[in-house]
Amino acid sequence: DAGVIQSPRHEVTEMGQEVTLRCKPISGHDYLFWYRQTMMRGLELLIYFNNNVPIDDSGMPEDRFSAKMPNASFSTLKIQPSEPRDSAVYFCASRLGETQYFGPGTRLLVL
Amino acid sequence: QKEVEQNSGPLSVPEGAIASLNCTYSDRGSQSFFWYRQYSGKSPELIMFIYSNGDKEDGRFTAQLNKASQYVSLLIRDSQPSDSATYLCAVASWAQKLVFGQGTRLTINP
Repeated sequence: DAGVIQSPRHEVTEMGQEVTLRCKPISGHDYLFWYRQTMMRGLELLIYFNNNVPIDDSGMPEDRFSAKMPNASFSTLKIQPSEPRDSAVYFCASRLGETQYFGPGTRLLVL
Repeated sequence: QKEVEQNSGPLSVPEGAIASLNCTYSDRGSQSFFWYRQYSGKSPELIMFIYSNGDKEDGRFTAQLNKASQYVSLLIRDSQPSDSATYLCAVASWAQKLVFGQGTRLTINP
């Protein structure tokens, strides 16, 4: 199995632009998580899905952030409009049982 | 008070010695406890998890849990330079989501 796949791996954009991050979980995993990691705040859970249904989005910082999971093999995290403080590494993780497997992350820089 | 607290380090340990990493948590309802390792520029990877009070061993790694003290630790025996990384403690409640500590940066000196 290829593991959790994320794209793009790096994204540089200007303030105000829309950013879409993509994730393909490991086949058969029933949970999908979106995290954000910064030096200041560490690794924070943004939202998670169970069987494609959003369960808890209390970590989404504000309305500029939205996430979807239209099917079991694909999820997106969208930021519109983006701001410099959104610069971070965004990880997607999927889980079956107790083990979460993280994707390689998307390093986002908003100028 | 942060939900999961770790000493940020850096923790420096000579090669071959035992590295001891500590974590405290605030939610007494926490059910599951995890240790992740993260190399610089990489994603976190699970080392081991523990549910019950006491020790759990896996190779050179031992996780220790004391729910009364709300304390989790990770011991790494015979430390190797390849163990140099940031170690993240994570705690899960009934809600299935993990809360991570800030991580402890560990350096093993040859």
